[in-house]
Amino acid sequence: DAGITQSPRHKVTETGTPVTLRCHQTENHRYMYWYRQDPGHGLRLIHYSYGVKDTDKGEVSDGYSVSRSKTEDFLLTLESATSSQTSVYFCAISESGDEAFFGQGTRLTVV
Amino acid sequence: GESVGLHLPTLSVQEGDNSIINCAYSNSASDYFIWYKQESGKGPQFIIDIRSNMDKRQGQRVTVLLNKTVKHLSLQIAATQPGDSAVYFCAGRSGAGSYQLTFGKGTKLSVIP
Repeated sequence: DAGITQSPRHKVTETGTPVTLRCHQTENHRYMYWYRQDPGHGLRLIHYSYGVKDTDKGEVSDGYSVSRSKTEDFLLTLESATSSQTSVYFCAISESGDEAFFGQGTRLTVV
Repeated sequence: GESVGLHLPTLSVQEGDNSIINCAYSNSASDYFIWYKQESGKGPQFIIDIRSNMDKRQGQRVTVLLNKTVKHLSLQIAATQPGDSAVYFCAGRSGAGSYQLTFGKGTKLSVIP
């Protein structure tokens, strides 16, 4: 999986609690992305990063924040989880901004 | 829209036959396209890409065709194998300077042994 590790792989959390998902890469790629995948909606971009401390919003960024303090790590935080954020979350990396390589995903359930 | 798992367009193909998976896009400024394969429980896997200044690109057993006139993209898989069974997504980038990929709804390919 192109040197991408997502953690945790599975998580169940309660509504209203904060949650942080981690994406770690060993490829030294400049671009990192967070997507969510839901039946009926496909893969949708949440946030992305084009360098350390450089991030921008994607299509479905409300309720999410990100941070990238090191090239290798991109964190996705749900400040106060809601049931609508139950999803499978994928991290992706890209060297040039062209082809992106995906991690194995994190299945998050908010109860 | 439709995506992995529910109500996806499905293509059933006999093992050994060729498969053609289609994708339409709406943004005429899109300059780059990718096809991904996703197996159950896994992340999308890069298959092949093509830039808008090309109309065809070939890889190992796969060919991507791009028709900018009608904003259509297709993925051809030669001699389809059971291991090709998966959901296939096309994705496009909205133009130079954009780092965002927009994904299509996906097509489920089932290979009949």
